Amino acid sequence: QQQVKQSPQSLIVQKGGISIINCAYENTAFDYFPWYQQFPGKGPALLIAIRPDVSEKKEGRFTISFNKSAKQFSLHIMDSQPGDSATYFCAALRHNTDKLIFGTGTRLQVFP
Amino acid sequence: GAVVSQHPSWVICKSGTSVKIECRSLDFQATTMFWYRQFPKQSLMLMATSNEGSKATYEQGVEKDKFLINHASLTLSTLTVTSAHPEDSSFYICSASLREGQTDTQYFGPGTRLTVL
Repeated sequence: QQQVKQSPQSLIVQKGGISIINCAYENTAFDYFPWYQQFPGKGPALLIAIRPDVSEKKEGRFTISFNKSAKQFSLHIMDSQPGDSATYFCAALRHNTDKLIFGTGTRLQVFP
Repeated sequence: GAVVSQHPSWVICKSGTSVKIECRSLDFQATTMFWYRQFPKQSLMLMATSNEGSKATYEQGVEKDKFLINHASLTLSTLTVTSAHPEDSSFYICSASLREGQTDTQYFGPGTRLTVL
C-alpha cells in the first residue's frame, strides 16, 4: 500500500512530441504528489507537484493530470525537447509525514 | 532559492577507511534532512531521516553503526560511511525539507559518488 507504481520504464519520443509518464498509488492517505527530473550523475530536481484537490496543474510545457477516483496521476511534457532527456520520478507524500515514496523512474529519450 | 549542496561531489577511498559527506541547505533552514542511496538505473532508496539536534531515524536494513549521521545545525547534516567496503560504492544523495504552505517540499543535493577500492 506504500508503493507508487510508475510506467513506462523507458520512453522514446521524437522532438516536438508529447511525453506521457503514468503513476498509480493505493494509499488514499497520500496528499502530495511531486515529480522530479534527474540528469545522469546529478541529484533529482523538483519539476512540478500537485495536491489531490485539483485535477490538473500546468507549468510551462509540463502538466500533471490527477485522477483521484482512479488513484492515478501522470506527467505530460508538451513539445518535448532533446534537453528533456532525463529520468523522471513520480513520488507521493502521506499526510502529516515527511517520507517521500518514489516510483521506479522513467528514462525519457527525446530524439531530434 | 531552495539550494542544497553536497561535498564532495565524488570520492575514491580504500577499503576499510571512513568517508564523510556533507549536506548543506544554502538559503534556508531545514529542520529535517534525508539521506538516500541510489544504484545505477534504480530509484532512490531512503537510508535515514535526520532532525537537527536529535538522533537520526534509520530505515529498516540500514546499519546505523556503519552510516553515521550527524545533524549539527539547521543547515548542515553529515553522513559518515565507516569502514567502507566495495559494496558501499554508490551514489549518495541528501535532501532538505522546506515548509512551503501546507507541504514540506524536499529539495535535493547534487549527490556524491563514492567508489571504494
